[in-house]
Amino acid sequence: AQSVSQHNHHVILSEAASLELGCNYSYGGTVNLFWYVQYPGQHLQLLLKYFSGDPLVKGIKGFEAEFIKSKFSFNLRKPSVQWSDTAEYFCAVNARGTNAGKSTFGDGTTLTVKP
Amino acid sequence: DVKVTQSSRYLVKRTGEKVFLECVQDMDHENMFWYRQDPGLGLRLIYFSYDVKMKEKGDIPEGYSVSREKKERFSLILESASTNQTSMYLCASSPSGTSGNNEQFFGPGTRLTVL
Repeated sequence: AQSVSQHNHHVILSEAASLELGCNYSYGGTVNLFWYVQYPGQHLQLLLKYFSGDPLVKGIKGFEAEFIKSKFSFNLRKPSVQWSDTAEYFCAVNARGTNAGKSTFGDGTTLTVKP
Repeated sequence: DVKVTQSSRYLVKRTGEKVFLECVQDMDHENMFWYRQDPGLGLRLIYFSYDVKMKEKGDIPEGYSVSREKKERFSLILESASTNQTSMYLCASSPSGTSGNNEQFFGPGTRLTVL
């Protein structure tokens, strides 16, 4: 079974600071990786995803993530955060070849951006 | 746009009551999921369904059951609500397939309080 670890539970940054949220997974096979975001009072929604190809993927609102297979990592980055990025961020992994697209989620990281 | 709707945003019930949470999706997705979201614990999978009348237990099925009589509808049932089931409940759906390319689409959540 796979597991996902997000290193930071709560991150506080000032506007314009750079962001990196860590995500490591444990699974021996091929995976697809996701970052989801939940803005205050809103649905969880997809931020970006990796399936194959270029390990650096770009998502909405200037976010990007890099898949490093050797490190089992999929860290989320943004060069300059805005107050509107305040949200909870979840990393998730699907194991290929398994049924139903069941995802394993990390515990989440709450990002607070101070204006 | 995929739409996942949940029957209530807020629900207050008493200990011992039978509680039904309903979820409907409009994108003809095969897979549907019920999670509970608690601070610091991320999303924990209660049950999922990959087809009508099919269901599988997730990580925390105790105290819950589910029903999927129609493809678009997935119900979560608390047979006898208890205070430790006070939580935010999220429903999600995704297309099927073993490639793992199955991003999930989430509903707005139901915040259930059991008194």
